[in-house]
Amino acid sequence: SAVISQKPSRDICQRGTSLTIQCQVDSQVTMMFWYRQQPGQSLTLIATANQGSEATYESGFVIDKFPISRPNLTFSTLTVSNMSPEDSSIYLCSVEGLAGDEQYFGPGTRLTVT
Amino acid sequence: GESVGLHLPTLSVQEGDNSIINCAYSNSASDYFIWYKQESGKGPQFIIDIRSNMDKRQGQRVTVLLNKTVKHLSLQIAATQPGDSAVYFCAENNQGGKLIFGQGTELSVKP
Repeated sequence: SAVISQKPSRDICQRGTSLTIQCQVDSQVTMMFWYRQQPGQSLTLIATANQGSEATYESGFVIDKFPISRPNLTFSTLTVSNMSPEDSSIYLCSVEGLAGDEQYFGPGTRLTVT
Repeated sequence: GESVGLHLPTLSVQEGDNSIINCAYSNSASDYFIWYKQESGKGPQFIIDIRSNMDKRQGQRVTVLLNKTVKHLSLQIAATQPGDSAVYFCAENNQGGKLIFGQGTELSVKP
């Protein structure tokens, strides 16, 4: 499976500010995804990061709040904009595997908003 | 105000015993399922997968069973070890290429 890294691993931010999370993969992948995991809960898909076009957002998530970039097949960023304490979560990127159905996850970015 | 997280179901087993973690999925059209293990402070780790044309698949110390009639998935861990302590999530692929995750079960292994 691909090796996936995320930066930062954790951060504490003030409300009203924005944070950009980076996801780097060691090989080219077609599909990259961003998830949110709120404290003590399961994972929820935020959006699919598409290379060369706008990300595809899931219901309840909008581009203004979670802008995503995908400049190439190995890199993506997720920005959490105008943060509030409710945005405190773990943010995870994932990539599809060689078979196309399975997904592999990065280590996550633990965000705390004060 | 502060949000309160859901309390995950917990399974506690003795080291060396077998563990069975259950999951109910929602979409009868889902054709692919994955079990993930998430240790504290880490991202979910792929354990084993199964397609809907199978009802059983075995890996190293793990077995996944799929019952499509009742939309139920289980993960069996043989000879559970302390290193198996983690939260386990099932996920279904609903043919749209997206994974939908179950709520998770926290496995605690007593030495």
